[in-house]
Amino acid sequence: DAGVIQSPRHEVTEMGQEVTLRCKPISGHNSLFWYRQTMMRGLELLIYFNNNVPIDDSGMPEDRFSAKMPNASFSTLKIQPSEPRDSAVYFCASTISGGGYNEQFFGPGTRLTVL
Amino acid sequence: GNSVTQMEGPVTLSEEAFLTINCTYTATGYPSLFWYVQYPGEGLQLLLKATKADDKGSNKGFEATYRKETTSFHLEKGSVQVSDSAVYFCALGGGADGLTFGKGTHLIIQP
Repeated sequence: DAGVIQSPRHEVTEMGQEVTLRCKPISGHNSLFWYRQTMMRGLELLIYFNNNVPIDDSGMPEDRFSAKMPNASFSTLKIQPSEPRDSAVYFCASTISGGGYNEQFFGPGTRLTVL
Repeated sequence: GNSVTQMEGPVTLSEEAFLTINCTYTATGYPSLFWYVQYPGEGLQLLLKATKADDKGSNKGFEATYRKETTSFHLEKGSVQVSDSAVYFCALGGGADGLTFGKGTHLIIQP
């Protein structure tokens, strides 16, 4: 299995530009999570989906952030417009939900730098 | 709400030393508890987990016991190696919900 795939691995952009991060979960997993990691705030859950439906987006910092999951094998996290304080590593994770706890598998992350 | 507190790092030890990384939590209900490890430039990997009180999770020589009475899940290893150098995260959660993570503890093992 290829694991959770994220692209790009690194993104450098200028303030005000739109940024789109992509995630392909593990085949057969029906829950997908977006996390953000910074030195100051650690790892924060931004939003998660069950069966392609957003369940909890209370962690999304602002309206500039949006996430979609058009099908079971693809999700995007978009920042528009981007700001320097959005610089962080963004992780996507997936799991099989239902019937007790199952491990969340993390992707390698996208390191975003907003200049 | 849920929260996880773990000891601040970096923690620097010599090879073969005993390791303890403290983790305490606040949660509603009866969450599962986890330790994840992050090696440089990589995503998080599950190290071990415990799903109910008094359960002991173990993997690669690491252990942690789910202590409901003290709301703790301390990570221990009897003899660390240089290859254990990484950032360790304590987390809680369950089912299809997202995880709540501690801030992470950077562990440095010196030869």
